[in-house]
Amino acid sequence: AQSVTQLDSHVSVSEGTPVLLRCNYSSSYSPSLFWYVQHPNKGLQLLLKYTSAATLVKGINGFEAEFKKSETSFHLTKPSAHMSDAAEYFCVVSDLGSSASKIIFGSGTRLSIRP
Amino acid sequence: EAGVAQSPRYKIIEKRQSVAFWCNPISGHATLYWYQQILGQGPKLLIQFQNNGVVDDSQLPKDRFSAERLKGVDSTLKIQPAKLEDSAVYLCASSLGSWLTGSHTEAFFGQGTRLTVV
Repeated sequence: AQSVTQLDSHVSVSEGTPVLLRCNYSSSYSPSLFWYVQHPNKGLQLLLKYTSAATLVKGINGFEAEFKKSETSFHLTKPSAHMSDAAEYFCVVSDLGSSASKIIFGSGTRLSIRP
Repeated sequence: EAGVAQSPRYKIIEKRQSVAFWCNPISGHATLYWYQQILGQGPKLLIQFQNNGVVDDSQLPKDRFSAERLKGVDSTLKIQPAKLEDSAVYLCASSLGSWLTGSHTEAFFGQGTRLTVV
């Protein structure tokens, strides 16, 4: 069965400094991994996805994530935070090859940006 | 391309009343999901459809929640009777692929319906 753990419920960084949001997953099969962002009172938007191609995945708005199978991690990073990045971020896992396959969300990390 | 449409956007009901939510997925998407997102938590999958068949409803409280996807397109989610703890945002999502087709693409989400039970 799949599961996903977001290690930080809240991360606060200063504008212009790097962002690191941590995610660990568990999957019985080859997983697909996603990061979604949710701004207040708005829908969920896909940031980036990993589906067994390149392990370093680039997404929108300067975000990227690296799939590390040995560490079962898929951390989200951005070199320089912007005020507009303040939002809730969800790490998501899904896998194929299982009749119980489904999309599982982490509990979320709230990113705050200090001026 | 039109996105996932949900209605209503907001609903306030008293406990023990019934309520229904509607979702129209992206055209051509075979897989449809309903999620419940309680304030401060990540979305929890309630039910997953592949066309008009149920793939997973293991976390759906079947004594009060029901969902259907007639003709494999639109879907409705119903709660009857509602409880205070049902207050949440109900998200509908759709995706093009599924494990049945051997591929998996990302899910596209609607804006959600915010339900308040008083």
